[in-house]
Amino acid sequence: QLQLQESGPGLVKPSETLSLTCSVSGGSISSSSYYWGWIRQPPGKGLEWIGSMYYGGRTYYNSSLKSRVTISVDTSKNQFSLKLSSVTAADTAVFYCARQIPSVGGYYFDYWGQGTLVTVSS
Amino acid sequence: SSELTQPPSVSVSPGQTARITCFGDALSRRYAFWYQQKPGQAPVMVISKGTQRPSGIPERFSGSSSGTTVTLTISGVQAEDEADYYCQSAASSDSYVVFGGGTKLTVL
Repeated sequence: QLQLQESGPGLVKPSETLSLTCSVSGGSISSSSYYWGWIRQPPGKGLEWIGSMYYGGRTYYNSSLKSRVTISVDTSKNQFSLKLSSVTAADTAVFYCARQIPSVGGYYFDYWGQGTLVTVSS
Repeated sequence: SSELTQPPSVSVSPGQTARITCFGDALSRRYAFWYQQKPGQAPVMVISKGTQRPSGIPERFSGSSSGTTVTLTISGVQAEDEADYYCQSAASSDSYVVFGGGTKLTVL
């Protein structure tokens, strides 16, 4: 059974860089069949896709966040990571990592981590 | 437009049929995917590629599509179906993910 687990600081100061890691177990992040993505959800609000990546390095980012986002992979650790720079209180959210199925007609997420709350505050 | 529009809330009594719509230009060209999210939990897909029900999802969940509108139908709603529901599709390319704003389903 595939499992994903987010980890990282729960509190980040304004203007700093938020860094999270997603550890994947029960499957290989190097599989050519899947992409891996990050989604966030501000408290009481809806889901927002942040970006996705393929183990070979190809990345796709939400245009509204593209200037501040970097997603990378560490195949040796079966992990992928998110960095979001210059954060403000508006970036406070639960962050989810998920496995993404590349499908003709739309990519979608079939396995999700439990989510981790990151609060931006001084 | 890359937006997907959902009604903020839908209410039904147990045993009735709930219909949750999602509208967006992208839906005429790409699939819709539906996720159920209960409080404090990660989303779970209930409908894939517009009409397909993933393994383990009850038969009362179904999806349909007409032009730029897709509909999630829950027949014989149960109390356990009370949750937020999100539609998801793609915009500009298959890999560019967009979510609807979500619909809170209340079971009266």
